Amino acid sequence: LAKTTQPISMDSYEGQEVNITCSHNNIATNDYITWYQQFPSQGPRFIIQGYKTKVTNEVASLFIPADRKSSTLSLPRVSLSDTAVYYCLVGDFTGGGNKLTFGTGTQLKVEL
Amino acid sequence: DTAVSQTPKYLVTQMGNDKSIKCEQNLGHDTMYWYKQDSKKFLKIMFSYNNKELIINETVPNRFSPKSPDKAHLNLHINSLELGDSAVYFCASSQDSRYEQYFGPGTRLTVT
Repeated sequence: LAKTTQPISMDSYEGQEVNITCSHNNIATNDYITWYQQFPSQGPRFIIQGYKTKVTNEVASLFIPADRKSSTLSLPRVSLSDTAVYYCLVGDFTGGGNKLTFGTGTQLKVEL
Repeated sequence: DTAVSQTPKYLVTQMGNDKSIKCEQNLGHDTMYWYKQDSKKFLKIMFSYNNKELIINETVPNRFSPKSPDKAHLNLHINSLELGDSAVYFCASSQDSRYEQYFGPGTRLTVT
């Protein structure tokens, strides 16, 4: 299983760019990297997914270096509403996903 | 309409009891999952179910059993509840094993 490591917490201010890095040294060839956002008392919500290089959507960017042993979620110009826990998920989605491994999550706190 | 719904939202019960949590998705997805989130917010996959194929995380006690009456439902049965089973349980679904997962709101189980 690909074990993942994330910072436990990060603090930022509104309008800043936030980068959260996830380490996954033993990522397997078939593994994708997915990031989720979770607010208190809610289920996680999909943010972005990638396999290699860079992926961008309307809310975030995901940077994956060539060796794929880490990934960085980039949130541009955060606001108070981005305060949440962010999870890195690495896994082989084939075969039902029983090898999915969530990181411990990073609590992002955004202040004025 | 709620994409992934779970009932009940809260469940308080005593040790040794048997309980069930229901999950329904109206997204037409082929794969459904059950996750357990403990008090430290660590999110761990328990089961995935795709086209009647059940894949079990080997660390899950056999007191836990998923039951799928049809493609839109994946219920979780728990026998002989223990104090350590107290957690928030999330149901999720995805189009197939490679796509983003949609999570339900969670069921907070408290065993006394």
